Amino acid sequence: DAGITQSPRHKVTETGTPVTLRCHQTENHRYMYWYRQDPGHGLRLIHYSYGVKDTDKGEVSDGYSVSRSKTEDFLLTLESATSSQTSVYFCAIQAEYSNQPQHFGDGTRLSIL
Amino acid sequence: GENVEQHPSTLSVQEGDSAVIKCTYSDSASNYFPWYKQELGKRPQLIIDIRSNVGEKKDQRIAVTLNKTAKHFSLHITETQPEDSAVYFCAADKKSGTYKYIFGTGTRLKVLA
Repeated sequence: DAGITQSPRHKVTETGTPVTLRCHQTENHRYMYWYRQDPGHGLRLIHYSYGVKDTDKGEVSDGYSVSRSKTEDFLLTLESATSSQTSVYFCAIQAEYSNQPQHFGDGTRLSIL
Repeated sequence: GENVEQHPSTLSVQEGDSAVIKCTYSDSASNYFPWYKQELGKRPQLIIDIRSNVGEKKDQRIAVTLNKTAKHFSLHITETQPEDSAVYFCAADKKSGTYKYIFGTGTRLKVLA
């Protein structure tokens, strides 16, 4: 399995609190992604990174921010969590070549009450 | 915008029968089409992929076919086994060179013993 670690694996928090999820990789891959997975919607891209300090928005980026200060770490922050952000969050990585697969971490189950 | 449609959303087959899952995509520039299997509570895992210069690819009981003219691709699983029960996602890269995928909404496959 690709060397991807997500933390925490589970989190319960209250509406309005800030939340940061971490993705750590040991593959030295250039590309990293954050997805959310909800029933009936599959995997939707929140933000992605194409290098240190280089990030861009995905299709569902509202309410989320990201940072990548090192190749191995990609952080996803919910500045003020809302109940609609209750979801399972997956990090993925991809090598720097076209037509390569993305590999996923184990996910973080986030519940916002 | 670009999207990937996946059908059916649920599929039940008897053990030993074949299963077929179909996806259509809208971006004619898509060149790479991975398939992922996700067991309950686990990460999506790549099971097979196909590139646009190939019409068919096989790996033991799994095969994928691609029709670029019609913009659709299919996953075929033969001699299904109970351990094939999972959710399967197709994906297409968004545009060549961007390293982003659009995922289908998933197919829940149940193999009945």
